[in-house]
Amino acid sequence: DIQMTQSPSFLSASVGDRVTINCKASQNINKYLDWYQQKLGEAPKLLIYNTNNLHTGIPSRFSGSGSGTDFTLTISSLQPEDVATYFCLQHNSGWTFGGGTKLELK
Amino acid sequence: QVQLKESGPGLVQPSQTLSLTCTVSGFSLTSNSVHWVRQPPGKGLEWVGVIWSGGSTDYNSTLKSRLSISRDTSKSQVFLKMNSLQAEDAAIYFCAITIAAIFDSWGQGVMVAVSS
Repeated sequence: DIQMTQSPSFLSASVGDRVTINCKASQNINKYLDWYQQKLGEAPKLLIYNTNNLHTGIPSRFSGSGSGTDFTLTISSLQPEDVATYFCLQHNSGWTFGGGTKLELK
Repeated sequence: QVQLKESGPGLVQPSQTLSLTCTVSGFSLTSNSVHWVRQPPGKGLEWVGVIWSGGSTDYNSTLKSRLSISRDTSKSQVFLKMNSLQAEDAAIYFCAITIAAIFDSWGQGVMVAVSS
């Protein structure tokens, strides 16, 4: 089974900061990596699919990059409404979630 | 508009069987796959299993021996049954559909506690 290691597990940043979250796969997952945002008490919300494709309605300050085993979610300018937990998900072979990154405002 | 809604008992006794229902609308179960994902309190997400549009199933290897997913297409419902429930099975259980293997729409989730 593919394992996904997400880092950091906790992140504190200020409004306007550039934020990056990383996911590393235990083996090559090609481009099949998605990013989700989950706010407290809500279901996950798709942000980015297949590494770098912005889902409909998602602000352009969110972007994704990477390939193979290493992937990054970037928020170019953090907004208060971005406070949430972020998860990566590989779907190259089955589905495996990363452990999550809890993002808070400094 | 695609909608999914989970339902089931909020409390299950240890060693008993969990039965959950996902009622869907806005799409056909014969055209889309429905997955179950769970999230223990304060923890990350775990893929549980899927029933494919053709009716076959795949399960998380760690849960496979205790898990069954089925459906009733006439009622637009998908069912999850998990036996021999333990404390570590306490979680929010979500159903969701995938399009091209991407989780596109999710239900609101149903909380399941395991306690005597």
